[in-house]
Amino acid sequence: GAVVSQHPSRVICKSGTSVKIECRSLDFQATTMFWYRQFPKQSLMLMATSNEGSKATYEQGVEKDKFLINHASLTLSTLTVTSAHPEDSSFYICSARIRGGPDTQYFGPGTRLTVL
Amino acid sequence: GENVEQHPSTLSVQEGDSAVIKCTYSDSASNYFPWYKQELGKGPQLIIDIRSNVGEKKDQRIAVTLNKTAKHFSLHITETQPEDSAVYFCAARLSGGSEKLVFGKGTKLTVNP
Repeated sequence: GAVVSQHPSRVICKSGTSVKIECRSLDFQATTMFWYRQFPKQSLMLMATSNEGSKATYEQGVEKDKFLINHASLTLSTLTVTSAHPEDSSFYICSARIRGGPDTQYFGPGTRLTVL
Repeated sequence: GENVEQHPSTLSVQEGDSAVIKCTYSDSASNYFPWYKQELGKGPQLIIDIRSNVGEKKDQRIAVTLNKTAKHFSLHITETQPEDSAVYFCAARLSGGSEKLVFGKGTKLTVNP
């Protein structure tokens, strides 16, 4: 149980284009989803907290107009990297909390974004 | 805000030995401490967690201990196996109703056969 999927697993795009990453909770409803960014050999950095039906809460220093988050349903959150640049290349990981459950966060497998 | 320090950054053990990873946190009100295992190119996987009303928790070869007074918690892996090789992250949840986790910098564990 508590499986989180992400799509795509890998994406390569040209500078200036936008990329959408999906995060789905497969066997549970998720009131809250989180988006993290991880650079090579580094820890996870929280980008934003996403609650179903409301606006995401972004961490300090994260541009909300560049990293658009939509949490349209209890099983799906999307992260769109707009006008991507090479410095946006990173490993993006989402996590989700079970609706009505404990505060455990279950992570997806991650999405490797490479911007050329 | 909360700060989580994790040591060591790398740890190499022989198969069958025990491995211990330690974390300290700064916010005495933090009350939830999960440990995650991350293999190369994959997302973190929860392996064990502990809440502040418990001092120790065990799940087969894995155990976590919590010392609230000293504000530190540790991961213990016994009878290590090569497949335990991965990066391990500790985390602490912020107090005050926040759902955010603050992560340590990670420990790369290598179990040599």
